[in-house]
Amino acid sequence: EVQLVESGGGLVPPGGSLRLSCAASGFPFSAYWMSWVRQAPGEGLEWVANMNQDGNQKYYVDSVKGRFTISRDNAKNSLYLQMNSLRVEDTAVYYCARSSDHSWAYWGQGMLVTVS
Amino acid sequence: QSALTQPASVSGSPGQSITISCTGTSSDVGVYNLVSWYQQHPGKAPKLLIYEVTKRPSGVSDRFSGSKSGNTASLTITGLQADDEADYYCCSLGPSTYLFGTGTRVAVL
Repeated sequence: EVQLVESGGGLVPPGGSLRLSCAASGFPFSAYWMSWVRQAPGEGLEWVANMNQDGNQKYYVDSVKGRFTISRDNAKNSLYLQMNSLRVEDTAVYYCARSSDHSWAYWGQGMLVTVS
Repeated sequence: QSALTQPASVSGSPGQSITISCTGTSSDVGVYNLVSWYQQHPGKAPKLLIYEVTKRPSGVSDRFSGSKSGNTASLTITGLQADDEADYYCCSLGPSTYLFGTGTRVAVL
């Protein structure tokens, strides 16, 4: 069974940093693109970043470029999102998701990040 | 880039069919056959319903179908059921990014 479990969220002041982790299991993690998608309270979904299998291709939404860094450790079956210079508008539930065919069939349970 | 445009709400009675539109531009929906649709119940993670415009993942009911014409994609739900009451989002690949739709709340009357 595919499982994605996020951790590392919480409350952080504006300008602060936070690192989200996503532990993957039940599938060959190193074979898939992985993504982060977020959802602000009461709002819609927003794609944040993704990266390819070996980490040499990374893409970001414009609003987080230069502040967020996506990374992965295939030996640990883990995906990460380092978030620096956090802003109030970064407050959201952050989902880790497995990419396939430019879509996301598997999602984590979500992790709330509050910048206040 | 702006989010794809969806109607804020759509409603229907049990057993009826409804269609949700998703309008983009010639730089995203119009040029890529890479539109996906997601269902999200309150407090839950999204669920993939449709990918690559018309394809259904294994386990998704055939009451859900997708299509595209020009810059507009559509999701049709036939035989509306109470459990279909949820938020629905489209998504398309765009130039160097993925764009989600603004979301549609479906109400089953």
